[in-house]
Amino acid sequence: DIQMTQSPPVLSASVGDRVTLSCKASQNINKNLDWYQQKHGETPKLLIYYTNNLQTGIPSRFSGSGSGTDYTLTISSLQPEDVATYYCYQYNSGYTFGAGTKLELK
Amino acid sequence: EVQLVESGGGLVQPGSSLKLSCVASGFTFSSYNMHWIRQAPKKGLEWIALIYYDSSKKYYADSVKGRFTISRDSSKNTLYLEMNSLRSEDTAMYYCAGDYGGFHYWGQGVMVTVSP
Repeated sequence: DIQMTQSPPVLSASVGDRVTLSCKASQNINKNLDWYQQKHGETPKLLIYYTNNLQTGIPSRFSGSGSGTDYTLTISSLQPEDVATYYCYQYNSGYTFGAGTKLELK
Repeated sequence: EVQLVESGGGLVQPGSSLKLSCVASGFTFSSYNMHWIRQAPKKGLEWIALIYYDSSKKYYADSVKGRFTISRDSSKNTLYLEMNSLRSEDTAMYYCAGDYGGFHYWGQGVMVTVSP
């Protein structure tokens, strides 16, 4: 089974900061990776699909990149409404979520 | 408006069975692969089951394989999850999700609590 390791588990940043969240797969997942945002008390929301495709309606400050085993979600300028837990999800071999990165405001 | 509405959750004893339903509206249900995803209290997301749009294939997480069965009835726009031999570790919010290149649609979730 493919394991997905997200880092850091918790990230504190200030409004306006550029924020980078990491997701590492235990083997090559061929860019078959999505990113989801879950705000407190809400259902998850699709942000990025197939590594770098922005879902309709998602602000352009969100972007994704990566290949092989290493993937990144970047928020170019952090906004207060971005406080949430972010999950990566691979579907290359089986289906696995990462444990999440909790993004907080400093 | 797209809606996925889960039902059938509740408080059950270990070893019991439960069947969850997820009624879809506002999109072409028969064209979407459908998943069940769960989230234990204060924990992360766990994928548990997938059924293809035409029911031709089904996949399960190891944690539920042999105990849970996913099915769908496209004539009723409904997804199901039959859960048997429930354990305390199955306690979670259960979400259905529609997959068309990502989980575009999520239900609000239904809570399942397994406790003596």
